[in-house]
Amino acid sequence: AQSVTQPDIHITVSEGASLELRCNYSYGATPYLFWYVQSPGQGLQLLLKYFSGDTLVQGIKGFEAEFKRSQSSFNLRKPSVHWSDAAEYFCAVGSGVNNNDMRFGAGTRLTVKP
Amino acid sequence: NAGVTQTPKFQVLKTGQSMTLQCAQDMNHEYMSWYRQDPGMGLRLIHYSVGAGITDQGEVPNGYNVSRSTTEDFPLRLLSAAPSQTSVYFCASSFNGGSGNTIYFGEGSWLTVV
Repeated sequence: AQSVTQPDIHITVSEGASLELRCNYSYGATPYLFWYVQSPGQGLQLLLKYFSGDTLVQGIKGFEAEFKRSQSSFNLRKPSVHWSDAAEYFCAVGSGVNNNDMRFGAGTRLTVKP
Repeated sequence: NAGVTQTPKFQVLKTGQSMTLQCAQDMNHEYMSWYRQDPGMGLRLIHYSVGAGITDQGEVPNGYNVSRSTTEDFPLRLLSAAPSQTSVYFCASSFNGGSGNTIYFGEGSWLTVV
């Protein structure tokens, strides 16, 4: 079965600084990859997803992610972080068959310093 | 558009009690699912349904029952609550079970079993 690793449990960045959240996946075929954001007390909101084609994917709120097959990675980036970006971020991988095979990483909590 | 609605938002149960977490979606989605979220473990799939009258087990189904009598509703039942079921529960839906379809999440139900 596929799996997802988010190596960083907690990251702190200053407002205005750039951000990169790491995600590594394990899956034998071409994966379906997702990034979700969860604000405190809220459900998960989809930021972006990758199925095929261009390996650089643009999402909402100024986020982007790059699929690198050779590194089995799908890192999330933002050039300038805003205080409202403080949240927990989840990377997820789908099996290519159906959504019930989707696996989530443990999450990375982002703190933004003023 | 309400999206995915979960009730209750907070619940405290005693060990051995039963309860039902309600979930409803108004997007005419065929696919619905329940996840639990535990610290450091991301989201894990409990049960899912690909349409009315059809349910199946996910990654962590033990201790939970589901049914899907209508397209809109997908309740999750805890028959005899245990402290290990203390968690945050998320209901989710998508257009169909095809991988890559965006999953929409409810806001979560915080359950404590004492």
